[in-house]
Amino acid sequence: DVVLTQTPPTSSATIGQSVSISCRSSQSLLDSDGNTYLYWYLQRPSQSPQLLIYLVSKLGSGVPNRFSGSGSGTDFTLKISGVEAEDLGVYYCVQGTHDPLTFGSGTKLEIK
Amino acid sequence: EVKLQQSGDELVRPGASVKMSCKASGYTFTDYAMHWVKQSPGQGLEWIGTIIPLIDTTSYNQKFKGKATLTADKSSNTAYMELSRLTSEDSAVYYCARSDYLTGMDAWGQGASVTVSS
Repeated sequence: DVVLTQTPPTSSATIGQSVSISCRSSQSLLDSDGNTYLYWYLQRPSQSPQLLIYLVSKLGSGVPNRFSGSGSGTDFTLKISGVEAEDLGVYYCVQGTHDPLTFGSGTKLEIK
Repeated sequence: EVKLQQSGDELVRPGASVKMSCKASGYTFTDYAMHWVKQSPGQGLEWIGTIIPLIDTTSYNQKFKGKATLTADKSSNTAYMELSRLTSEDSAVYYCARSDYLTGMDAWGQGASVTVSS
């Protein structure tokens, strides 16, 4: 199975600060169809996960544009430009290129 | 509004089975696949499998083959997951989530907790 390694495991930020989360894959996530099936999700405390980013860098519906995704191959980054209080929770990267679909171990974002 | 309404929390005995549901509304049920995801207490997320209701095709994580069975009823826009031969390792919150080919799991149910205990 593809292993997704997220760093850091925990991040602490003040309101307005920018934060980056890394996701490194054990295999390239570039599919033979030319797409890279890498997604980012946020799970707020006691809530279901919600989609932030799909196909590496495309913003999900209704997601604020302070969230952005980048990367290719095996290295990907989620950036939050100007953290807000509602951004606390656990962030997961997910790959859908290789079967089975796998999740990263998560990055917990705390607000100082 | 897209909504996935999951059935309630369950307390079940070891060795028993449980079947949970995920009722979809606000979109055309057969236009999307339905995934099921497990979250063990204090742990991350694991993909169990997917069903494509339009063609009744399923795909499972090898880890959950023989444990989970996914079905869908197009007449009621409801997806189901049955878990069999339950052990304490199956105690977790289970989510359903719809997806299309590209945009990922863009709507999730509220989750259903399964507790396996005698």
